[in-house]
Amino acid sequence: GEDVEQSLFLSVREGDSSVINCTYTDSSSTYLYWYKQEPGAGLQLLTYIFSNMDMKQDQRLTVLLNKKDKHLSLRIADTQTGDSAIYFCAESISGTDKLIFGTGTRLQVFP
Amino acid sequence: GAVVSQHPSWVICKSGTSVKIECRSLDFQATTMFWYRQFPKQSLMLMATSNEGSKATYEQGVEKDKFLINHASLTLSTLTVTSAHPEDSSFYICSARDPDQPQHFGDGTRLSIL
Repeated sequence: GEDVEQSLFLSVREGDSSVINCTYTDSSSTYLYWYKQEPGAGLQLLTYIFSNMDMKQDQRLTVLLNKKDKHLSLRIADTQTGDSAIYFCAESISGTDKLIFGTGTRLQVFP
Repeated sequence: GAVVSQHPSWVICKSGTSVKIECRSLDFQATTMFWYRQFPKQSLMLMATSNEGSKATYEQGVEKDKFLINHASLTLSTLTVTSAHPEDSSFYICSARDPDQPQHFGDGTRLSIL
């Protein structure tokens, strides 16, 4: 079945770059997504990438997709304390509207 | 941008009560909405896909008689947890999909059953 894996925890210093990694299993996924969840809140869509793209940049966010290795990463430049949250990657299941979420990575930014 | 509103944000009730959670798409019509459940420090688990005007599609292991879903209009889906018990306590999140756009999520409902 589908399985999306992420490292559980990442700690970075304010101002540094953060890289959050994700591996997925469905090679026919059309889109891959990054969502952010703050404590007690819902999910905020950060960015997404179409499966035929290698990279997408949106302000401080850069998404890299290695389709051969089924590896997705999110780089946050100049990480701020407000970026502290849980980050979920998600893959769309081909032929459906469903999303399968990763395990989530807790990003902690310290001064 | 697409906005999804979920209500209530937090509910506490006694065991045996039924609880209704609403999910509304505020600025677009959603033929499909999704209901997820999230346990503390865990990922989101899809419970069911809510289809406007037809029956919901439940994921394996989700009791359809326990979690009743109604999607009577293009902007509203409801999840009713019937005869709730402490093990139903969780964070429930809905999402809606504007056609050709990613899923947008509500702010979630924290359900605590005493």
